[in-house]
Amino acid sequence: DTEVTQTPKHLVMGMTNKKSLKCEQHMGHRAMYWYKQKAKKPPELMFVYSYEKLSINESVPSRFSPECPNSSLLNLHLHALQPEDSALYLCASSQRGPGELFFGEGSRLTVL
Amino acid sequence: DAKTTQPTSMDCAEGRAANLPCNHSTISGNEYVYWYRQIHSQGPQYIIHGLKNNETNEMASLIITEDRKSSTLILPHATLRDTAVYYCIVRPDLGAGNMLTFGGGTRLMVKP
Repeated sequence: DTEVTQTPKHLVMGMTNKKSLKCEQHMGHRAMYWYKQKAKKPPELMFVYSYEKLSINESVPSRFSPECPNSSLLNLHLHALQPEDSALYLCASSQRGPGELFFGEGSRLTVL
Repeated sequence: DAKTTQPTSMDCAEGRAANLPCNHSTISGNEYVYWYRQIHSQGPQYIIHGLKNNETNEMASLIITEDRKSSTLILPHATLRDTAVYYCIVRPDLGAGNMLTFGGGTRLMVKP
C-alpha cells in the first residue's frame, strides 16, 4: 500500500463551523505533513509531525489545529475559518532521512 | 535554504524529449535536488532525486552539473499525460523530517 488517503475530497463550511480533515497512511512512515495550496500557486508547508510530535509549525493561525493521534493518522481541525482559507489542503508522509514524500490527492476546502 | 530558479513555462512536442532546467547556485554540499510534478487537481508526485551523480529511473533522468549549481530533468519521450507543473526543490538539512519547500515550478505543456 503506497497511498496517502485524504477525506473528505471536498468540504464546504461556514465561518462559524467546526470541521476536520483526515489523512491516513499505512506505509509505516513516521513523518507526516500538511500543506496548503491556493489556486495557481505552489504548495506551502503548514505543519510537520515527526514520530507523532509536532516538529514544525510554519506560523499557521490558531484556527488551524493539527493532531496526530497515531503513526498512521493525521488530522487538521478547522474552526472559525475565513473565506481566504479556501484552498486545496494536501497531506504527505515520508520516512525520515533522504527520500520521497508521498502526497494524497488533497481536500478542497471552500469557506463561505 | 538554497533557492531554485526555473522557467515559468515550456512547451514540448509529443514523443520528443522534454528538458527542464533548474538553477540552484546556492546549494550546499549536503543538500539533495528533488523533482516533483503536479498534474492538474492532483497531489504532487515524486519523480526523482540526486545528490551529485546523474540518476535515472523509469520516469526520468536527472543530470546534475559537476559544480552542482544547476540540474536538468529529462523526460525522454514526452506524452500528453506529462503535461503538469514540474517543481525543482533543494532539500534543506535534516532536523525536521523531509520537509520540502516548493518554488514556482515550470508549467510544461506537451502538445500533439
